[in-house]
Amino acid sequence: DQQVKQNSPSLSVQEGRISILNCDYTNSMFDYFLWYKKYPAEGPTFLISISSIKDKNEDGRFTVFLNKSAKHLSLHIVPSQPGDSAVYFCAASRSGGSNYKLTFGKGTLLTVNP
Amino acid sequence: KAGVTQTPRYLIKTRGQQVTLSCSPISGHRSVSWYQQTPGQGLQFLFEYFSETQRNKGNFPGRFSGRQFSNSRSEMNVSTLELGDSALYLCASSSRVAGDTQYFGPGTRLTVL
Repeated sequence: DQQVKQNSPSLSVQEGRISILNCDYTNSMFDYFLWYKKYPAEGPTFLISISSIKDKNEDGRFTVFLNKSAKHLSLHIVPSQPGDSAVYFCAASRSGGSNYKLTFGKGTLLTVNP
Repeated sequence: KAGVTQTPRYLIKTRGQQVTLSCSPISGHRSVSWYQQTPGQGLQFLFEYFSETQRNKGNFPGRFSGRQFSNSRSEMNVSTLELGDSALYLCASSSRVAGDTQYFGPGTRLTVL
C-alpha cells in the first residue's frame, strides 16, 4: 500500500522555465511533508518542508504548496537550472515532523535542458 | 562540519551470508535512521535509533536488525541474505531538535549474488 505517490516518473523542462513536481498521499495522519533531491551516487539532500498548518512555504527558487483537502502537494522550481537535474523525492511523516519515520514516494527524475 | 559517513560504500555477498553496515552521524546528532532503496519499492524506512534505543521500526523481517553505540554511531545487520536484499542502504542523522531534518549519507550499495 503506497501511502505517498509520485505519479510522474520523469519530467523534462527547459532552462529558465518552471518545474512542477507533484505528490499525492493517502494517509490523513501525515502532517509534515518534505522534498529531497538526489544525485546519482549521493544520498538525498533536504530541500524544503511544510507543516500541515500551512499551505505554502518558500525558500529561494523553491516553493512547496500543500492542499490538505486533496491530499496533494507540489514543488515549484522557478527558474529551473540545469544543475537542478536530479531525482526528487516527496516524503511525509506524522507528529509534526518529530516522528523520524519518513514515508517516501518513488521519486521523479527532473531533467532541465539548457 | 563533516557529513554522515557510511562504510563500506560497496559490498558483494552471496545468499545466506550476513552483512554489517556502519553509519557515523554528523557530530552532535544522536538520532540515526536507516532506509532501504530499491528500484521497485523506492525508499523504505527500516528503523531509527536514538540514545542507543530503537524508537521507530518499519515493516521489515527480523533478519534486519540494528544497534547504536554510546558515541551515536550505528550499525545495521542483515542475516541470511536473500537476492531481494540487494539495494542501496542509506542512513540519516538528525539532532531531533524541533525544526531540524534528517541528513543522509551517501549509502552502501549491497549486491547479493
